[in-house]
Amino acid sequence: GENVEQHPSTLSVQEGDSAVIKCTYSDSASNYFPWYKQELGKRPQLIIDIRSNVGEKKDQRIAVTLNKTAKHFSLHITETQPEDSAVYFCAANPAGNMLTFGGGTRLMVKP
Amino acid sequence: EAGVTQFPSHSVIEKGQTVTLRCDPISGHDNLYWYRRVMGKEIKFLLHFVKESKQDESGMPNNRFLAERTGGTYSTLKVQPAELEDSGVYFCASSPVTSGYEQYFGPGTRLTVT
Repeated sequence: GENVEQHPSTLSVQEGDSAVIKCTYSDSASNYFPWYKQELGKRPQLIIDIRSNVGEKKDQRIAVTLNKTAKHFSLHITETQPEDSAVYFCAANPAGNMLTFGGGTRLMVKP
Repeated sequence: EAGVTQFPSHSVIEKGQTVTLRCDPISGHDNLYWYRRVMGKEIKFLLHFVKESKQDESGMPNNRFLAERTGGTYSTLKVQPAELEDSGVYFCASSPVTSGYEQYFGPGTRLTVT
């Protein structure tokens, strides 16, 4: 089955800096890659997603890139703010509609 | 639009007891999913309903777990009898039939088995 690896597990940045989280997947049939943000005690929230026919997608300060050949995708957050502090999960959609998640990255933005 | 809701938010039970978790998806979403996150690990898929039918239950850990979605609306996940390793956060998610990809998560039920 699909396997998604996510790095780093924790990331600490200074406010205003950029943050990058990387994921790799194993199943070449995966064609949908969402990113979720989970703040403490709250639900995972879909923040951006990308489909396999696109190499990059941007939404204000967040962007996602996808390299299908290398089977990896990344989340980029620019001009980080304290409210970006959360756990971020990447996921891949290998078959049907189920999602396979990475292990999560705890992002801490220091003011 | 109301989001996915789950009940209860927390449940503490003793080993051997039974617990039933409930999920109400976004109105009109035919696809409903259950996931679980055991402490410190990744969110793992349990099963997927399309309306009232189980589309994929490959992630269900064992026969102590029973999921239903009568009438294709809300869903329940029963654990009977509960074991210590069942502790974790159980998430429900839903997606519209026209999309099939974007999944909207509920706040989760934190289950603690003592």
